Amino acid sequence: QVQLVESGGGLVKPGGSLRLSCAASGFTFSDYYMSWIRQAPGKGLEWVSYISSSGSTIYYADSVKGRFTISRDNAKNSLYLQMNSLRAEDTAVYYCARDLRDSSGYYLDYFDYWGQGTLVTVSS
Amino acid sequence: EIVLTQSPATLSLSPGERATLSCRASQSVSSYLAWYQQKPGQAPRLLIYDASNRATGIPARFSGSGSGTDFTLTISSLEPEDFAVYYCQQRSNWPPGTFGPGTKVDIK
Repeated sequence: QVQLVESGGGLVKPGGSLRLSCAASGFTFSDYYMSWIRQAPGKGLEWVSYISSSGSTIYYADSVKGRFTISRDNAKNSLYLQMNSLRAEDTAVYYCARDLRDSSGYYLDYFDYWGQGTLVTVSS
Repeated sequence: EIVLTQSPATLSLSPGERATLSCRASQSVSSYLAWYQQKPGQAPRLLIYDASNRATGIPARFSGSGSGTDFTLTISSLEPEDFAVYYCQQRSNWPPGTFGPGTKVDIK
């Protein structure tokens, strides 16, 4: 079965850095686009970043552009999010999520599998 | 950026009742809209995509409709496990894939 398991969250001071990982299993990771999506405590969902299956296409939300870097290692079935210059407003549960593909193989930019999330807290 | 609004913010209903949730987009998203369910402490679960297609394993009591700027998620008869928060998400103007603020369905 499809599994996505995030790790790397924790408490970090403003201006600090953190690297999140997402280990994928149960599907051919290299065939799928992936995203990071976050949820501040008690708030709604915010898409953060996206990476294509090969890693050649990457997008970021304006709120993290220039500070966060998404990457993937298809040999290790892993997705990463390097977060630098962290701010209090980056405090959230960070989910990795898989892009839905239809029966023809097209990517639909919806998210059909999500990890359980990892909490990032930015506070002094 | 396309902004999604959801109404009502909270819907208080009893098991067995019909739930009707609304999502409105600030500009047309054609049929490129999804619905997710999220329970406390859990990740969201995809229910509906492209406005009306049920995702794999989603019960038939969940249905979606609409196009353009106005969309509806209907739960025909609420089961106890359906009390949760529901989010809509558009992919028409990607990136970003914006989400609505959510509608909480709670027990009356």
